[in-house]
Amino acid sequence: AQKITQTQPGMFVQEKEAVTLDCTYDTSDPSYGLFWYKQPSSGEMIFLIYQGSYDQQNATEGRYSLNFQKARKSANLVISASQLGDSAMYFCAMRVINAGGTSYGKLTFGQGTILTVHP
Amino acid sequence: IAGITQAPTSQILAAGRRMTLRCTQDMRHNAMYWYRQDLGLGLRLIHYSNTAGTTGKGEVPDGYSVSRANTDDFPLTLASAVPSQTSVYFCASSAVGGRFVTDTQYFGPGTRLTVL
Repeated sequence: AQKITQTQPGMFVQEKEAVTLDCTYDTSDPSYGLFWYKQPSSGEMIFLIYQGSYDQQNATEGRYSLNFQKARKSANLVISASQLGDSAMYFCAMRVINAGGTSYGKLTFGQGTILTVHP
Repeated sequence: IAGITQAPTSQILAAGRRMTLRCTQDMRHNAMYWYRQDLGLGLRLIHYSNTAGTTGKGEVPDGYSVSRANTDDFPLTLASAVPSQTSVYFCASSAVGGRFVTDTQYFGPGTRLTVL
């Protein structure tokens, strides 16, 4: 079974500073993808960044980067130069090809971290 | 480009009533999904479809049904709503589906459903 753990229910950061949101995962499947989504108070789920299990380099997308440590099974999201608009719930999610070789595309989500950016 | 649209935005429903949540995507994605989001439980997959004409059960399918008559539409039906189906429902789509772990899912705006 796959599991995503986000141990920080809430995080606070000062505007313009960097913040790291933690995510650890558990899977026995060697092939998997890790995703981060942002959910602002308006409710929509916004895709931020993706990291594949075989990717050699950490993913980056603008102010978002993923600190991928495969041996530790962690995929932390780093947001640089925080902005007030970054205040939201952030979800880490994982997708695997299951043992049977078929995947119905299920994303396994963590519980989420609420990020609050202070001016 | 609208992406994914969902209707209604919100709904209050009496227990025992039938309800269909609509989902339409204009990205020509092969795969579509329905999730429900509940406080403390995150998002859980209800049903999925890897291509038009096929559907499958996710991890919480009981009480729900889906159909995929064409590429764009993926309605979710609650045959006889119960209060435990009170939730926020998200439709999502991805280009490929199936065995590709790189396949990013994009979400609709959600439907907030309350069953009384």
